[in-house]
Amino acid sequence: QVQLVESGGGVVQPGRSLRLSCAASGFTFRDYGMHWVRQAPGKGLEWVAVIWSDGSTKNYADSVMGRFTISRDTSKNTLFLQMNSLRAEDTAMYYCARDISSWSPGFWGQGTMVIVSS
Amino acid sequence: QSALTQPASVSGSPGQSITISCTGTSSDVGGYNYVSWYQHHPGKAPKLVIYDVTNRPSGVSNRFSGSKSGNTASLTISGLQAEDEADYYCISHTSTNTLVFGGGTRLTVL
Repeated sequence: QVQLVESGGGVVQPGRSLRLSCAASGFTFRDYGMHWVRQAPGKGLEWVAVIWSDGSTKNYADSVMGRFTISRDTSKNTLFLQMNSLRAEDTAMYYCARDISSWSPGFWGQGTMVIVSS
Repeated sequence: QSALTQPASVSGSPGQSITISCTGTSSDVGGYNYVSWYQHHPGKAPKLVIYDVTNRPSGVSNRFSGSKSGNTASLTISGLQAEDEADYYCISHTSTNTLVFGGGTRLTVL
């Protein structure tokens, strides 16, 4: 069955960097678009970024454009989110998700928590 | 990338039907048939209940249905059950090849 396991979260100071990973199994990783979605404490879900199945296209929410980079390593079945210049407002649970159809994140991991605080 | 508009809360009694609306623009909801709905229980991963406006993933109860008219998509849950109490979010593809969520709706089963 589809399994997505996020890791790499933690407490980081404002302005610093963090890289999240999402290990995928149970499906052919190279065949699917992948997303990152976050939820700040007490807030709603916010879409962060997408990478197409072949890695050729990456798109971002305005709130993270220029600071976050999504990537994937097909040889390791792993999705990444490089987060630079972190801000307090980036504090959130970060989920990776796999498309079930075009532009439809259908399978989700359990999330990894990122706290940006001095 | 303005968030789609959902009611903050809806409620219904067991057995009743409720509908949650999701209003966007012609650049998102109205322009594409890529609208999905998620059920989210606190502390758990969101669960997809509708995709591509009307499609139900395998294993999702047929009590969940979706529709769209113009710039507004809707999720209807019929035969309300206690376990349906959760937060519900819509999401849509946009003209800039991004996704945008609604603000979320808290469903209370009375």
